[in-house]
Amino acid sequence: QITLKESGPTLVKPTQTLTLTCTFSGFSLSTSGVGVGWIRQPPGKALEWLALIYWDDDKRYSPSLKSRLTITKDTSKNQVVLTVTNMDPVDTATYYCAHRLQFRTFDSWGQGTLVTVSS
Amino acid sequence: QSVLTQPPSVSAAPGQKVTISCSGSSSNIGNNYVSWYQQLPGTAPKLLIYDNNKRPSGIPDRFSGSKSGTSATLGITGLQTGDEADYCCGTWDSSLSAVVFGGGTKLTVL
Repeated sequence: QITLKESGPTLVKPTQTLTLTCTFSGFSLSTSGVGVGWIRQPPGKALEWLALIYWDDDKRYSPSLKSRLTITKDTSKNQVVLTVTNMDPVDTATYYCAHRLQFRTFDSWGQGTLVTVSS
Repeated sequence: QSVLTQPPSVSAAPGQKVTISCSGSSSNIGNNYVSWYQQLPGTAPKLLIYDNNKRPSGIPDRFSGSKSGTSATLGITGLQTGDEADYCCGTWDSSLSAVVFGGGTKLTVL
């Protein structure tokens, strides 16, 4: 059974850097074809994809946010970390991590963590 | 504004059938697999359909998916009040090199 859980601060100030950790179980990020992605959802709005990292360390980023995002993995700890620089109130959202199935879909999602950006 | 276009809302009576459309282009739906996600109020998205028309284990066959050209459709039969949720389509966009989602459709079971 695959499980994922996001952790990190619930409140950040404008201009600060957000660091979120996704801790997972039930799969290994060293297995061929496996990936983990980050997706966010502002309150009352649609899902927005942020970043993906694959077992071979291939990384993909949202074109509109690429300059602010960094995704890394720690295979030994079963963790994926996302950093978002220069946070703004418009970045207030629930941030989800999800297991990427063979490049095609997100088949398991974490519960999400609400991050509020406010001074 | 989302790359994939969905109707903001649909509604139908219990026991009836409803379809939700997702419109894109050749760079996304036209040449890549489509997924559908269900998001019950206050919860994380849940995979309903992948590879256009496949259901993960545990998803009842009341839920179905199809794709034609640059559009995809989610069908739900035998509607239940528990099906009230937001439904979102997603796929890969080869031109953007990005995962793209629709804006979501709120299903109301009257």
